[in-house]
Amino acid sequence: AQSVTQPDIHITVSEGASLELRCNYSYGATPYLFWYVQSPGQGLQLLLKYFSGDTLVQGIKGFEAEFKRSQSSFNLRKPSVHWSDAAEYFCAVGSGGSYIPTFGRGTSLIVHP
Amino acid sequence: KAGVTQTPRYLIKTRGQQVTLSCSPISGHRSVSWYQQTPGQGLQFLFEYFSETQRNKGNFPGRFSGRQFSNSRSEMNVSTLELGDSALYLCASSPGTSGSHEQFFGPGTRLTVL
Repeated sequence: AQSVTQPDIHITVSEGASLELRCNYSYGATPYLFWYVQSPGQGLQLLLKYFSGDTLVQGIKGFEAEFKRSQSSFNLRKPSVHWSDAAEYFCAVGSGGSYIPTFGRGTSLIVHP
Repeated sequence: KAGVTQTPRYLIKTRGQQVTLSCSPISGHRSVSWYQQTPGQGLQFLFEYFSETQRNKGNFPGRFSGRQFSNSRSEMNVSTLELGDSALYLCASSPGTSGSHEQFFGPGTRLTVL
């Protein structure tokens, strides 16, 4: 069975600082990987996805993520955080045999001015 | 294309009552999934419907049920509500076919059980 671990429950950064949110997955084959963002009281919005090909994936809002098979990781990065990036971030993994991704517990990003 | 819509957005019920939530997927999407989100348990998968059939099911009691109509709209029903059912219920749609694993989420229905 596939699983996802987001080791950090909360992350606090200053506006303008760089950001890296960690995600580790467990799955035997090449997974489908996603990062979603959720603002308070809202649904989840897809930031980026990895299915195959280039391991560095660009997403919306200036985010990127890198798939590292050897580390079973798919960390999300942003070079300069804006106050509006404060939200909950979810990593998810899917497989070819299942249409239902497995979500991590989420990381809450707090941005200080 | 219009996004996923969920109605109602907010709901307050009392213990023992039942509730029905509605989800309209993106046009052309045939798969609708339901999730329960709580601070303690995170995002938990309830079930998925594809072409009016339940295709996947999570680990929830039988009080939680759903259905999908021929236009792909879906409803979720919770009977005999308990306090612990208070949560944000999210609906997500996708094409549901091979190679299309991305899910598009609605804004959710906030259910409060008193």
